[in-house]
Amino acid sequence: SSELTQPPSVSVSPGQTATITCSGDTLAKQTAYWYQQRPGQAPVLVLYKDIERPPGIPERFSGFSSGTIVRLIISEVQAEDEADYYCQSADRHTVFGGGTKLTVL
Amino acid sequence: EVQLVQSGAEVKKPGESLKISCKGSGSSFSTSWIAWVRQVPGKGLEWMGSIYPVDSDTTYSQAFHGQVTMSADKSVSTVFLQWTSLEASDTAIYFCARRGAAVAYGLQDWGQGTLVTVSS
Repeated sequence: SSELTQPPSVSVSPGQTATITCSGDTLAKQTAYWYQQRPGQAPVLVLYKDIERPPGIPERFSGFSSGTIVRLIISEVQAEDEADYYCQSADRHTVFGGGTKLTVL
Repeated sequence: EVQLVQSGAEVKKPGESLKISCKGSGSSFSTSWIAWVRQVPGKGLEWMGSIYPVDSDTTYSQAFHGQVTMSADKSVSTVFLQWTSLEASDTAIYFCARRGAAVAYGLQDWGQGTLVTVSS
């Protein structure tokens, strides 16, 4: 199956660590990407190749990969991190997860 | 970095045709795969397909194959997404995005989105 599954929502208090999980069979063979989308804005790439950060993305954003599961880990969560987060895998065809709304309490 | 600028919001009636555009700046645009991504208001991201402007090679998501047509004009660094007969269910924001080699072909640069509203 090429589907990617994410929890609909995750809540965390400021300063704590948020973990968003993405699972799917395709992740065992293909690299994963993560995007942040704030309300009314276009998505922004925050991780690629499972764990790499593009320029300008804070070190608080990190990744983990094992088998068919990848995780986006946001340390020391700030109010500005409140957004929707999407995982993605790609070969010739691109697949997105359903998205996870991160709420900062 | 490549800047992607999309055409403006559209309001159409069911059955009408539409072509929206995404213009890139920078030399990397035409040698990068450009994806189209749909987002129905309040919903998630859906990959529609991708096009390679150099030779207009395309790959479509099964869900959108036959529903839309992607095309490109490399001479003006622009890609297009076209419908021949819109339906109300096509109401969404449409993003173009560039797959960047520097980020292992993730969607590195995004357009601002084009809101398409289809209503009678």
